[in-house]
Amino acid sequence: GAVVSQHPSWVICKSGTSVKIECRSLDFQATTMFWYRQFPKQSLMLMATSNEGSKATYEQGVEKDKFLINHASLTLSTLTVTSAHPEDSSFYICSANRGRNEQYFGPGTRLTVT
Amino acid sequence: GNSVTQMEGPVTLSEEAFLTINCTYTATGYPSLFWYVQYPGEGLQLLLKATKADDKGSNKGFEATYRKETTSFHLEKGSVQVSDSAVYFCALSYLSGGSNYKLTFGKGTLLTVNP
Repeated sequence: GAVVSQHPSWVICKSGTSVKIECRSLDFQATTMFWYRQFPKQSLMLMATSNEGSKATYEQGVEKDKFLINHASLTLSTLTVTSAHPEDSSFYICSANRGRNEQYFGPGTRLTVT
Repeated sequence: GNSVTQMEGPVTLSEEAFLTINCTYTATGYPSLFWYVQYPGEGLQLLLKATKADDKGSNKGFEATYRKETTSFHLEKGSVQVSDSAVYFCALSYLSGGSNYKLTFGKGTLLTVNP
């Protein structure tokens, strides 16, 4: 149990376009999901907390208009990178809360902006 | 604030060697502590956890004990295998905004096990 999927697993897009990443909890409901960004050989940086049915809470320094988060159901959260630029290239990982204090992570999405 | 400091790698061991990866933390209150493992190109998998002082988390031969007096949660394994090669992250969880538990991660330690 506690499986989280992400789609796509990798995506290449042109500068100026937008790309959407989906995060799904497959066998449990998650009222809270998290989005992280990971640079090569570095740790995970929390970008935002996504609560079902309400607006996401962004960490300091993360542009909310750049990284749009929607948590429309108890099993799906989406991250849209708008007007992507090469500096947005990164590994994006989502996680979903099961129970009060357990996070289960998706496999990640590698975004390359050309 | 909350922070996690873990031993910087990379760590290179021979198969069947003993592994220790040090992790210390700073936190307000009583956090839960975790070790996550990340294999190349993948997301994170929960390896083990401990929720209160003196708890020992264990899984797949790995162990870590929550030491409140030394604010530590060191990861150990008695005999590593080539398949243990991965990046290991120590993390703590803290309550934020009154309702959500968030994770703070250490920088990660790359472990390479040679046959």
